Amino acid sequence: GAGVSQSPSNKVTEKGKDVELRCDPISGHTALYWYRQRLGQGLEFLIYFQGNSAPDKSGLPSDRFSAERTGESVSTLTIQRTQQEDSAVYLCASSGKEGTWGRPPPFGPGTRLTVL
Amino acid sequence: DQQVKQNSPSLSVQEGRISILNCDYTNSMFDYFLWYKKYPAEGPTFLISISSIKDKNEDGRFTVFLNKSAKHLSLHIVPSQPGDSAVYFCAASPNSGGSNYKLTFGKGTLLTVNP
Repeated sequence: GAGVSQSPSNKVTEKGKDVELRCDPISGHTALYWYRQRLGQGLEFLIYFQGNSAPDKSGLPSDRFSAERTGESVSTLTIQRTQQEDSAVYLCASSGKEGTWGRPPPFGPGTRLTVL
Repeated sequence: DQQVKQNSPSLSVQEGRISILNCDYTNSMFDYFLWYKKYPAEGPTFLISISSIKDKNEDGRFTVFLNKSAKHLSLHIVPSQPGDSAVYFCAASPNSGGSNYKLTFGKGTLLTVNP
């Protein structure tokens, strides 16, 4: 079956512009996660959606970052007034609403964002 | 302050030999640990995990060892194959159950397996 998909695969933008990154989760998955990986670093948690519950936004690095998800569908991560330090690979993962630790959610291929 | 540390940025081994990747953590609340493998231009792929109630978990060529008192875990790959060449990330979570995969990752170790 289809995995998590993300678009675009690459995005180059100028400093100060806004960007929108898209994540299509696996069908039926209620949970969705955004992470980012900056060069030479590990993955950093950004935000977590679970069904219709309030999202856990504790990882968002600044108020320039926001994310939306309606129900169990697509999520968009928006970065306003991009800065060079926002350059990273942005990764999305989704999972079912299992109550115990099953196989961890698969990641999508990521969007490589470059801010010039 | 890095809570999950992979102190070796890279490791090179010969095909057929054992690869040992190490990871240290500082947060005593972590009780679930995972290893991911990442190829260039792809998302990380889950490899193997271990709960803090165990000290060893094995899956085929991959074994993860956990030493809670030392806050240390390691991934052993035996025998190593050229296709294992990738970046390996150690990750940890304070949740032992539930669907909250809010993970803290190390910076990764680049493993190169030479034919």
